[in-house]
Amino acid sequence: GQQLNQSPQSMFIQEGEDVSMNCTSSSIFNTWLWYKQDPGEGPVLLIALYKAGELTSNGRLTAQFGITRKDSFLNISASIPSDVGIYFCARYAGGTSYGKLTFGQGTILTVHP
Amino acid sequence: DTAVSQTPKYLVTQMGNDKSIKCEQNLGHDTMYWYKQDSKKFLKIMFSYNNKELIINETVPNRFSPKSPDKAHLNLHINSLELGDSAVYFCASSLKRTGDLFFGSGTQLSVL
Repeated sequence: GQQLNQSPQSMFIQEGEDVSMNCTSSSIFNTWLWYKQDPGEGPVLLIALYKAGELTSNGRLTAQFGITRKDSFLNISASIPSDVGIYFCARYAGGTSYGKLTFGQGTILTVHP
Repeated sequence: DTAVSQTPKYLVTQMGNDKSIKCEQNLGHDTMYWYKQDSKKFLKIMFSYNNKELIINETVPNRFSPKSPDKAHLNLHINSLELGDSAVYFCASSLKRTGDLFFGSGTQLSVL
């Protein structure tokens, strides 16, 4: 199947620390997406990556689409308490699949003040 | 001005009952979805509709019946609820053929 392996499963960090999480797959993808889910809410798109090697930033967040097209990482710099939540990588299936997203298992981030 | 709104937020019911979850989006998107998030937070697509037409049905039991009266609404009806149906159900929408999904805030279904 088209499994996404996301790690780590959870992280406990101090405010101000940098965070890194990644996602790998055995299949080649054309699009990597990173979503964040706040407690009690639905996921929200953070960054979308469309080309192998692409490096994209969104404020303190930086994500890269691996050269092999089988992996991606997300970095958060200088973490703050509102970074708490679950971060998901996702693969987008285009064509006739009309936006079907396959999600990784998620990384639960806890930030201690 | 909620973009994707779903009701109810919480649903507690007995096994065997029938229940519905409603979803509406005011973004003008073509495509709407239902996703299920289990107790381990794993998100999996159930259905997608494009302009009221069913596009994806991910081998969901036929006790689950989505209905799209127009492209701004996608409701989910569940018959004969089972304990294993307990989960958070998310409605989402997107423009056709993009991975940028807008999710509702979820409906937490508890089957007792």
